[in-house]
Amino acid sequence: DSGVTQTPKHLITATGQRVTLRCSPRSGDLSVYWYQQSLDQGLQFLIQYYNGEERAKGNILERFSAQQFPDLHSELNLSSLELGDSALYFCASAPVQDFPDTQYFGPGTRLTVL
Amino acid sequence: DQQVKQNSPSLSVQEGRISILNCDYTNSMFDYFLWYKKYPAEGPTFLISISSIKDKNEDGRFTVFLNKSAKHLSLHIVPSQPGDSAVYFCAAKQRGSQGNLIFGKGTKLSVKP
Repeated sequence: DSGVTQTPKHLITATGQRVTLRCSPRSGDLSVYWYQQSLDQGLQFLIQYYNGEERAKGNILERFSAQQFPDLHSELNLSSLELGDSALYFCASAPVQDFPDTQYFGPGTRLTVL
Repeated sequence: DQQVKQNSPSLSVQEGRISILNCDYTNSMFDYFLWYKKYPAEGPTFLISISSIKDKNEDGRFTVFLNKSAKHLSLHIVPSQPGDSAVYFCAAKQRGSQGNLIFGKGTKLSVKP
């Protein structure tokens, strides 16, 4: 158990809908990273927050957004969902923002768009 | 354009033998490399890392080798155990980035008893 929790574990929804994925980092970790793993793909970095502020953006679509709240939990919002958005979404947390050794991953949320 | 490539989707090894997982990269700005292990229904777990200023890092049964001139790294597991059966991801961090990682597609290792 990494100490990072993600809810829900599974999500099934329809095209055009909007969903919110939640991540609670390890106690004390200030940095949260979101990654997407599509079928047969490695994990792709989406976005990073550090202590409530956006710090880095990767291959995140404009339909997707994220935020980190004062209690440090983070939410990834996916809207106007398409079939191709079906994937595993992982969040990872770290105590500081630039030491990759210490990224701890949650178990992921599996999103299925029908 | 894949910057981190793991060209072998799968590898099967006998228990007790050596497992060698390979990874190639194209970006010369990468300054840190990591290996993660992933079991089904779990998130990736950090295994071992290496800075670009080193060519070898060892941790118990796991050793990572880095060949900068060839832009190649490998993970050696000796001896391999059935519990090592998992998907292994190679990842890299670019110099000056905020720590976000670029992952390969993974290699599924099966260690047979």
